[in-house]
Amino acid sequence: GQNIDQPTEMTATEGAIVQINCTYQTSGFNGLFWYQQHAGEAPTFLSYNVLDGLEEKGRFSSFLSRSKGYSYLLLKELQMKDSASYLCAVRVHASGGSYIPTFGRGTSLIVHP
Amino acid sequence: ETGVTQSPTHLIKTRGQQVTLRCSSQSGHNTVSWYQQALGQGPQFIFQYYREEENGRGNFPPRFSGLQFPNYSSELNVNALELDDSALYLCASSLTGGDPEAFFGQGTRLTVV
Repeated sequence: GQNIDQPTEMTATEGAIVQINCTYQTSGFNGLFWYQQHAGEAPTFLSYNVLDGLEEKGRFSSFLSRSKGYSYLLLKELQMKDSASYLCAVRVHASGGSYIPTFGRGTSLIVHP
Repeated sequence: ETGVTQSPTHLIKTRGQQVTLRCSSQSGHNTVSWYQQALGQGPQFIFQYYREEENGRGNFPPRFSGLQFPNYSSELNVNALELDDSALYLCASSLTGGDPEAFFGQGTRLTVV
């Protein structure tokens, strides 16, 4: 099975930068995702990394190191609306050509003024 | 708004009963996945349908079954409901089975009493 580990909760100040780490152990790795989920709402896609390195998209960046089984999501210029749960998910390539995603428990980020 | 709609939004069932949850995919998407999300946890993958065929399944018993229709809408059926089945059930659609970006619906909150 897959094992994904991320911190349960983090707090940060509005305007600051925060890094949310995710470590994973898996076989058949085929990509890592980050999703944002506000309380009571559906998850929304943030990023996808399949190769090592940094992917930047506006205020959000995601990094992947496959050899270390490690990723982070970097949020810059934090805004109050960034308070949400951030879900790390790993996709593995399964038999029959399908992909099986496994989500971590999520990191609850609280942004305060 | 992702264009993925689920019904009903909330449901209360009695242990032992059966339930059917419905999902309408985003236009043009031929792949739908279903997830179970318990409170404070990340979504757990139940199964995925691609062009009306199941092509990936997580660690859920056979009493969790599904269907995808020619218009790519989908159903999740759960038989012999247990108290632990109480959760938020999410469906997500994507353009193809390999597309990393999935669009989630708002979910159905199922309570089993």
